Amino acid sequence: GENVEQHPSTLSVQEGDSAVIKCTYSDSASNYFPWYKQELGKRPQLIIDIRSNVGEKKDQRIAVTLNKTAKHFSLHITETQPEDSAVYFCAATDDYKLSFGAGTTVTVRA
Amino acid sequence: GAGVSQSPSNKVTEKGKDVELRCDPISGHTALYWYRQSLGQGLEFLIYFQGNSAPDKSGLPSDRFSAERTGGSVSTLTIQRTQQEDSAVYLCASSLDLPKDTQYFGPGTRLTVL
Repeated sequence: GENVEQHPSTLSVQEGDSAVIKCTYSDSASNYFPWYKQELGKRPQLIIDIRSNVGEKKDQRIAVTLNKTAKHFSLHITETQPEDSAVYFCAATDDYKLSFGAGTTVTVRA
Repeated sequence: GAGVSQSPSNKVTEKGKDVELRCDPISGHTALYWYRQSLGQGLEFLIYFQGNSAPDKSGLPSDRFSAERTGGSVSTLTIQRTQQEDSAVYLCASSLDLPKDTQYFGPGTRLTVL
């Protein structure tokens, strides 16, 4: 089965700085890579996703890059704000069964 | 419209008791998933329902876990003879009928087994 590793487990950044979270996956057949944000006590919510036919996707301050050869993908958050503080999960799949990373706790310092 | 709902939001039970967790998916979503989130961990896939097809139960950790989906809508996850290691947040998600459509999550049920 798919195995997804996520780093770092915690990340503290100064407000306005950038944050980068990296994930690697094991199954070369995986072709869909969503990122979820989970605020404390809330449900996970999709913030961005990428499919294997593209290498990069942006949505305002967030972007995801995918390197299929190396089997890794990354989330980039620019100009971080306090509301970006949350746990972020990456995931990978080639069908419907998402395999999640263990999560990254991001803290944005004012 | 209404999102995925789950009940109860919290459940405290004694070891050995059975529990039932309920999920109401988004109307019109034919796919339904159950995940388990243990403290400080990612989400672990448990089971997948799609329309009238046989469910994918490959993620259920033991035969104490079972789930059903009635009428293609509401789903119930049942844990029999609960153990302390079953303590976790159980999340339900639903999506449209294509395999890689966005999965929308419910708020979860926090299960504590004493």
